[in-house]
Amino acid sequence: GDSVTQMEGPVTLSEEAFLTINCTYTATGYPSLFWYVQYPGEGLQLLLKATKADDKGSNKGFEATYRKETTSFHLEKGSVQVSDSAVYFCALGGNEKLTFGTGTRLTIIP
Amino acid sequence: DTAVSQTPKYLVTQMGNDKSIKCEQNLGHDTMYWYKQDSKKFLKIMFSYNNKELIINETVPNRFSPKSPDKAHLNLHINSLELGDSAVYFCASSPGQDTGELFFGEGSRLTVL
Repeated sequence: GDSVTQMEGPVTLSEEAFLTINCTYTATGYPSLFWYVQYPGEGLQLLLKATKADDKGSNKGFEATYRKETTSFHLEKGSVQVSDSAVYFCALGGNEKLTFGTGTRLTIIP
Repeated sequence: DTAVSQTPKYLVTQMGNDKSIKCEQNLGHDTMYWYKQDSKKFLKIMFSYNNKELIINETVPNRFSPKSPDKAHLNLHINSLELGDSAVYFCASSPGQDTGELFFGEGSRLTVL
């Protein structure tokens, strides 16, 4: 079945550092790929998405590129801020549901 | 206005009790979901409804019974609560079944003692 493997956390970085959170997937067909973010005490929010190979999703300085050859959708940001501290979920969409990765907790220290 | 609202936000109860969590969305979406998030933040789908019709039922014990009186509401009733039911339950909605763009509520933290 479909599955998503995410980089284990927690990840702690200093403000303005470069961020990469790895995500790889296994799927039949051509799923859409998503990154969701969960701030403390809140529900998940869609951060960005890509619907086909080589698409790049971007939002709030975050980017991820749908790489079919490596079945990956790594999340990157060039310069993180304290306000980016949250749990990040990679997800795969298809067959009427989303399959989520296990989440990566990110903490940014000033 | 909150787009997807759940009540209650916190629920503490004894093993064996029956409890319900309510969810309402004002986005005009056709599809609604219940997800369970465990203590390690792992998120797993439980149910989805499209226009009041059950679409997904993911091997959830039959102690869990969803009810959708209309497409804006999806409630979750749990019978005979067990310790392992302790989790955060998230309601979500989306414009359609295959968009992948879900709008989540703030979650309902259930603690079973």
